[in-house]
Amino acid sequence: EDKVVQSPLSLVVHEGDTVTLNCSYEVTNFRSLLWYKQEKKAPTFLFMLTSSGIEKKSGRLSSILDKKELSSILNITATQTGDSAIYLCAGYNTDKLIFGTGTRLQVFP
Amino acid sequence: NAGVTQTPKFRVLKTGQSMTLLCAQDMNHEYMYWYRQDPGMGLRLIHYSVGEGTTAKGEVPDGYNVSRLKKQNFLLGLESAAPSQTSVYFCASSYSRVTGSYEQYFGPGTRLTVT
Repeated sequence: EDKVVQSPLSLVVHEGDTVTLNCSYEVTNFRSLLWYKQEKKAPTFLFMLTSSGIEKKSGRLSSILDKKELSSILNITATQTGDSAIYLCAGYNTDKLIFGTGTRLQVFP
Repeated sequence: NAGVTQTPKFRVLKTGQSMTLLCAQDMNHEYMYWYRQDPGMGLRLIHYSVGEGTTAKGEVPDGYNVSRLKKQNFLLGLESAAPSQTSVYFCASSYSRVTGSYEQYFGPGTRLTVT
């Protein structure tokens, strides 16, 4: 059975800290790994990773995929209160996404 | 370019009532999805469609039906609502033949309460 596991479940940090969120997957016909940010509404797309070892970057956020270890990490440097959200990762199985339950990040001033 | 839209945004139903949720996308995407999100459960796939006129079951299809008569629309029906169907429902779409990209984009959600 396909599954995606995220850790930690919850993280509390102070502004300026750097955090690393983990995602491991067991997905048949794996195509790519996606990261989303969800605040109080719909998930918004962050990254899609298809190739192993190539870092994708957007501002203070970066992510990388390790196909050998079946895992991915999402790094956020110099966190801000606006980074507080649930971060979801999902593995693409042919034509649908398998989601993890998310990591809840709380950033305090 | 509105992206993915959903109607209604909120709805309260009594047990046994029926309703249809409408999802529309203007990105010419081939694939469309319906999810439900419950506290601590993450996003669970209900049904999805990989093209006009085709549908498939996801992880939690029982109690729901779907139809995709037009490429841009994906309807989710509840024939006889139950309190266990109280949830936030998200529609999503993905895959453009033009760009070849597979990112999934989500609608704003529908909060449904069944009493």
